[in-house]
Amino acid sequence: EIVLTQSPATLSLSPGERATLSCRASHNIRTYLAWYQHKPGQAPRLLIYDASNRATGIPAKFSGSGSGTDFTLTISDLGPEDFAVYYCQQRSNWPLTFGGGTKVEI
Amino acid sequence: QVHLEESGGGVVQPGGSLRLACTASGFTFRSYGMHWVRQAPGKGLEWVAFVRHDGLIQFYADSVKGRFTISRDNSKTTVYLQMNRLTTGDTAVYFCAKDGGLEVGPSELDFWGQGSRVTVSS
Repeated sequence: EIVLTQSPATLSLSPGERATLSCRASHNIRTYLAWYQHKPGQAPRLLIYDASNRATGIPAKFSGSGSGTDFTLTISDLGPEDFAVYYCQQRSNWPLTFGGGTKVEI
Repeated sequence: QVHLEESGGGVVQPGGSLRLACTASGFTFRSYGMHWVRQAPGKGLEWVAFVRHDGLIQFYADSVKGRFTISRDNSKTTVYLQMNRLTTGDTAVYFCAKDGGLEVGPSELDFWGQGSRVTVSS
């Protein structure tokens, strides 16, 4: 099973700042990585797929990078609506796995 | 637009069974794989199961293998999760999600439902 380790667990930032979230895979997953945003009581929302491609309707403030085992999600100019939990997820191997999440808080 | 709506959640005793359903609309259901993902209280997301677009292939997380069965009825645009021998560790909100790949998989999970709560308790 591929283990995804996200860091930090919590990121405390102010509106207008930039958030940099990390996801490390235990094995090479090429670029088969997605990022999701999840707010309490809501459905998770796909942000990025295949490491760097924004999903439909996702603003350019969200960007993803990386390949192999190290990946980054960057959120520029944080707005109030961006404070949430973010998960990475790999589709390179079964079973699919998620990282433990990074909470971006004010 | 894509809409996924889960149903069938509730409270069940340990050792019991429950069947979740997820009804889909807004896309060609028979052409896409479907997933179930869960979130236990205070925990992160955990992938549970996948069924291919034609229903002929399924994959499961080790934690549910042999107890849960994913299936689909393309005529009803519905995916199911039959959960047997439930334990307190299965308590979670269960989300269904659409796979992003057309007749291939797995891809990213591009649309999700709001979730259905399952509580296993005596």
